[in-house]
Amino acid sequence: DIVMTQSPDSLAVSLGERATINCKSSQSVLYSSNNNNYLAWYQQKPGQPPKLLIYWASTRESGVPDRFSGSGSGTDFTLTISSLQAEDVAVYYCQQYYSTPLSFGGGTKVEIK
Amino acid sequence: EVQVVESGGGLVQPGGSLRLSCAASGFTFSSYWMSWVRQAPGKGLEWVANIKRDGSVKYYVDSVKGRFTISRDNARNSLFLQMNSLRAEDTAVYHCARGWELLWPFDIWGQGTVVTVSS
Repeated sequence: DIVMTQSPDSLAVSLGERATINCKSSQSVLYSSNNNNYLAWYQQKPGQPPKLLIYWASTRESGVPDRFSGSGSGTDFTLTISSLQAEDVAVYYCQQYYSTPLSFGGGTKVEIK
Repeated sequence: EVQVVESGGGLVQPGGSLRLSCAASGFTFSSYWMSWVRQAPGKGLEWVANIKRDGSVKYYVDSVKGRFTISRDNARNSLFLQMNSLRAEDTAVYHCARGWELLWPFDIWGQGTVVTVSS
């Protein structure tokens, strides 16, 4: 089974500043035959279901602001919010969909400093 | 509008059973793999099970194998989760989620239905 580990557990960032969240998988989620990383990022605000932000490690879902970006390959990935807005306060999760059981990271809570 | 709406949650005693439903609308339900994902109070997300478009293939997380059964009725655009032998650790919000393939991100999520296992 693939274990997903996120860091930090929480971070506080000033409005307009950059927020960076890390995600590490216990084994590679890069599928060599198509060169795709089977890694997604979700945003969950209080009382709401998760919302898909990024898939294939770096492809932004339709309608997601371009201040959100994903990077990385293999086992190490990063979600970056380039200029934090008040509406970005949420918990962010990474997820691997390379193999079953599908698995999520523990989440990173982003707050305003 | 593309959406999925869960129902069927509630309070059940340990060892009891519950059947969750998920009603899909706004998309061709039979074209998608569907999953259940749960979230225990104050905790993270845990994938529970998923099912192929025609219902012929199913996968489960180890902790629910032999106790939970995922199924679907494409004629009624509905997904189900039969939960038996419930334990306190099954207490969670259960979300229905859509994915195009088995190995695919979840692009549509429901609000979830609350399951509480307690005596």
